[in-house]
Amino acid sequence: AQKVTQAQTEISVVEKEDVTLDCVYETRDTTYYLFWYKQPPSGELVFLIRRNSFDEQNEISGRYSWNFQKSTSSFNFTITASQVVDSAVYFCALSEMEGGGADGLTFGKGTHLIIQP
Amino acid sequence: GAGVSQSPSNKVTEKGKDVELRCDPISGHTALYWYRQSLGQGLEFLIYFQGNSAPDKSGLPSDRFSAERTGGSVSTLTIQRTQQEDSAVYLCASSHGLAGNNEQFFGPGTRLTVL
Repeated sequence: AQKVTQAQTEISVVEKEDVTLDCVYETRDTTYYLFWYKQPPSGELVFLIRRNSFDEQNEISGRYSWNFQKSTSSFNFTITASQVVDSAVYFCALSEMEGGGADGLTFGKGTHLIIQP
Repeated sequence: GAGVSQSPSNKVTEKGKDVELRCDPISGHTALYWYRQSLGQGLEFLIYFQGNSAPDKSGLPSDRFSAERTGGSVSTLTIQRTQQEDSAVYLCASSHGLAGNNEQFFGPGTRLTVL
């Protein structure tokens, strides 16, 4: 069965620091998708990125970057020059393809990121 | 509408009562998902619809939970004889189609409190 582990329950940094959120996953499928979602205090989950298992290229989007490494089953998320508005709970998630995608997303427990001014 | 909407936003009920939670997906999205978010369990997947069909109901926590979708659009999640452990935020998401390669758009959730 699939599993997503976010070992960091809470991280607190001062504004402008860089911060990396860890995500480790387990799956027996060779084809799968990984996601990051942001949940700000308002509560609504916001999609950040999707990555398929065949694409190990790192991705950068503004201050956000993602490092996907199949060898270590990790999909880490880095925020550069953090801002107070980045404060939120961040979830890593996995979707396996073998079941036809009918299993929904398996989420990690989330990392609560606090950016202090 | 522009996004996934859910109603009610908050629901307080007494133990033993039935509740119905509603989800309006993004227009044109064929896939619809229900999740539950609670402090102890994090985000759990409950059930998925492709069109009006739910191929796998094994994610529902108990037989008190049921869900339906009609007309390929609106979905309702019904909890019968609510228990205190049902208290959680129930999230709905929709996507263009099958498989994990489609981004799921989430609604704001319904916060259910069972007294």
